[in-house]
Amino acid sequence: QKEVEQNSGPLSVPEGAIASLNCTYSDRGSQSFFWYRQYSGKSPELIMFIYSNGDKEDGRFTAQLNKASQYVSLLIRDSQPSDSATYLCAVASGGSYIPTFGRGTSLIVHP
Amino acid sequence: NAGVTQTPKFQVLKTGQSMTLQCAQDMNHNSMYWYRQDPGMGLRLIYYSASEGTTDKGEVPNGYNVSRLNKREFSLRLESAAPSQTSVYFCASKSGLGTNEQFFGPGTRLTVL
Repeated sequence: QKEVEQNSGPLSVPEGAIASLNCTYSDRGSQSFFWYRQYSGKSPELIMFIYSNGDKEDGRFTAQLNKASQYVSLLIRDSQPSDSATYLCAVASGGSYIPTFGRGTSLIVHP
Repeated sequence: NAGVTQTPKFQVLKTGQSMTLQCAQDMNHNSMYWYRQDPGMGLRLIYYSASEGTTDKGEVPNGYNVSRLNKREFSLRLESAAPSQTSVYFCASKSGLGTNEQFFGPGTRLTVL
């Protein structure tokens, strides 16, 4: 059973701070790693993906992957109230790329 | 370009009733998926279709059937609805090339009484 674990939160950070979201996975053969943002009552939308060890930056978002330790993280710099949402980590392996989702971490950015 | 569309948006059923959830995508994607999401849970895969003409079971297929009608459409059928199937259902598609990003539809909120 492939497992993807996330702290459910809520993670509360002040506006302008760095929010750090973490995810661990069980399948060492995992190859693709995704972060989705889901606002309440809405569908998930992809914000970051990463395939290789190290950091990947896109605007205020940075994804970090450490395959040896089997974790992937998402950093959000200069957090804004509009970043308040649930963040889902998804991990996929094999040629079919069927992702397994974590339960999500709720992020609250307060003014 | 509407992306992934789902109908209906909301539905209330009585135990034992049947219904079909419709999903369509206009992005010429090969793969399509059906997920359910329950409070505090992540997305759990019900069925998927890697390409037109193929379907496979996911993590939680019991009580559901699917049809990949053509490349655009992938429907999910509940033959005899149960209260345990109360959930939000999301359809998603993926091109099969490039980033492997899944695009999600707006969801169907289903309540089974």
